[in-house]
Amino acid sequence: DAKTTQPPSMDCAEGRAANLPCNHSTISGNEYVYWYRQIHSQGPQYIIHGLKNNETNEMASLIITEDRKSSTLILPHATLRDTAVYYCIVRAGGRSGGSNYKLTFGKGTLLTVNP
Amino acid sequence: EAGVVQSPRYKIIEKKQPVAFWCNPISGHNTLYWYRQNLGQGPELLIRYENEEAVDDSQLPKDRFSAERLKGVDSTLKIQPAELGDSAVYLCASSDDSSGYTFGSGTRLTVV
Repeated sequence: DAKTTQPPSMDCAEGRAANLPCNHSTISGNEYVYWYRQIHSQGPQYIIHGLKNNETNEMASLIITEDRKSSTLILPHATLRDTAVYYCIVRAGGRSGGSNYKLTFGKGTLLTVNP
Repeated sequence: EAGVVQSPRYKIIEKKQPVAFWCNPISGHNTLYWYRQNLGQGPELLIRYENEEAVDDSQLPKDRFSAERLKGVDSTLKIQPAELGDSAVYLCASSDDSSGYTFGSGTRLTVV
């Protein structure tokens, strides 16, 4: 799986949009971009994933550049509960991934939402 | 739905003692994973099961770690004997082909 690079930490004001960047310059054509987050003392939680088109769900939006070498996770209206470590992961296959569904985590970005 | 259930939530043991962690995956999920998360790091895969078969245990330290998933449902991860460096959070996750990954809350192990 391709390697990802994320800033170690970011701050965001409550109610504002949080934009979390991720670089994945060695991504292959069949690799998806996944985002998970981990709130303190909990297991990682799936947020969103995409291949090349922008994606949106009830939690967030995912913007992938045209060359697919970087992406941005957007939390449109951050709340205090969004304070967590956010992981950007690149791997082959869709959400289910079949029998090779291994997630390789980096250190992620600690997002702190301030009141 | 209860999600992935792990127990105990916390465990403190002396080095050289054995310890076991238990995981109950989401009903119907045929794939089960054990991850270890050291402080300040992301989780790392230890072992993956497809039903009752361990299909990827390449990262499991087999000299002291063992795991089993009898009947393809619940799973147990054991360490014997524990070392100071085993202090970490042990996460269990399960998935199937339609719903993707769900993690449990983990067991925080402290070896003193």
